[in-house]
Amino acid sequence: TQLLEQSPQFLSIQEGENLTVYCNSSSVFSSLQWYRQEPGEGPVLLVTVVTGGEVKKLKRLTFQFGDARKDSSLHITAAQPGDTGLYLCAGRKYGQNFVFGPGTRLSVLP
Amino acid sequence: EAGVAQSPRYKIIEKRQSVAFWCNPISGHATLYWYQQILGQGPKLLIQFQNNGVVDDSQLPKDRFSAERLKGVDSTLKIQPAKLEDSAVYLCASSLEFGDFLMKQYFGPGTRLTVT
Repeated sequence: TQLLEQSPQFLSIQEGENLTVYCNSSSVFSSLQWYRQEPGEGPVLLVTVVTGGEVKKLKRLTFQFGDARKDSSLHITAAQPGDTGLYLCAGRKYGQNFVFGPGTRLSVLP
Repeated sequence: EAGVAQSPRYKIIEKRQSVAFWCNPISGHATLYWYQQILGQGPKLLIQFQNNGVVDDSQLPKDRFSAERLKGVDSTLKIQPAKLEDSAVYLCASSLEFGDFLMKQYFGPGTRLTVT
């Protein structure tokens, strides 16, 4: 049983479109991270959220932590081919290590 | 600042053979992690070191996997004997401190293992 679920599993869109991907769990987390992983590389941290309801922006990417700290979303505005990759969320319970979800594989076509 | 280094990048072995992976973390990072990432899945933690001591190895298949971090710097992960289901990317990551609330992990490029 996955502690974290991510949806959709795959997403293929055209350049310039907007998209949202989701990370859901029945567990409460003290913090949650989003990573992007490109083929042949390790994951790279995009953001960490720690407060319920928190919203963080990173250029065209907007991250939100759910009020109950059980879920999160990542919204990309005007997607570009450079956004292509595997988006992973990872949740951490207090005093424990981060646990990763299975990821959403995004393909942005020019 | 140099990133996390891993070698080899690719390895192909037959089942029942042994294999070893090497990781050099970012200088000064006390915590080192080994993850296994099977195709289509997220990384799964195998073992965590704090300096040269093991903090968490609850998901390490200890009958065939072993890891060490001599002198609290470099680390090696070994599989002996390998099984077909060990085919995966093995990622090494490091962070300054485990207790750091925001705990940023820096990942290496990984070693892609194929067991035939």
